[in-house]
Amino acid sequence: DTEVTQTPKHLVMGMTNKKSLKCEQHMGHRAMYWYKQKAKKPPELMFVYSYEKLSINESVPSRFSPECPNSSLLNLHLHALQPEDSALYLCASSQPGRGRQYFGPGTRLLVL
Amino acid sequence: KQEVTQIPAALSVPEGENLVLNCSFTDSAIYNLQWFRQDPGKGLTSLLLIQSSQREQTSGRLNASLDKSSGRSTLYIAASQPGDSATYLCAGLIQGAQKLVFGQGTRLTINP
Repeated sequence: DTEVTQTPKHLVMGMTNKKSLKCEQHMGHRAMYWYKQKAKKPPELMFVYSYEKLSINESVPSRFSPECPNSSLLNLHLHALQPEDSALYLCASSQPGRGRQYFGPGTRLLVL
Repeated sequence: KQEVTQIPAALSVPEGENLVLNCSFTDSAIYNLQWFRQDPGKGLTSLLLIQSSQREQTSGRLNASLDKSSGRSTLYIAASQPGDSATYLCAGLIQGAQKLVFGQGTRLTINP
């Protein structure tokens, strides 16, 4: 099984809302990633968790808050987002180091 | 700073043709190079991974090569089909980091 699942598939939220994106994998991977992708652009790395510890934060605004409750789950908590945060949010996982990254289908987020 | 470039940005060919997508990177200090496929509004599908010690990888009608000394990778698609229409992204894993650096992608259209 090489599947990464993400919920929800679509999300519409107002600028004052709080919501969470969820990502799950059962491949035994110990590195998990959040990416943001705008239309016609490549994914941009946001956060990396390695062995459930935050190892990379690409200077992401604090309105995005990641959480890795266990080795299979990754959450992204959203609060007070701006319309420019509307994008496709992708989760990925791999073995730490040189492993192949597997991506989920993404959550399409629209901030009104 | 590692930069990855993909040429061409878009390509349209008739069904049945063999084609080559190009990827170049500025810094040879990469652990591996991955080729992905992305359909509109969807996540990334990993096609091939070439480790830095390898020269090429094959999967079905796809063949990817890597030449670290010249900073180039190519994705060869044999006997193209309309179902191959998608955006193809290459990404290098930077040594000493857990970051994939993506190219801007090649948007491929196969005409029936």
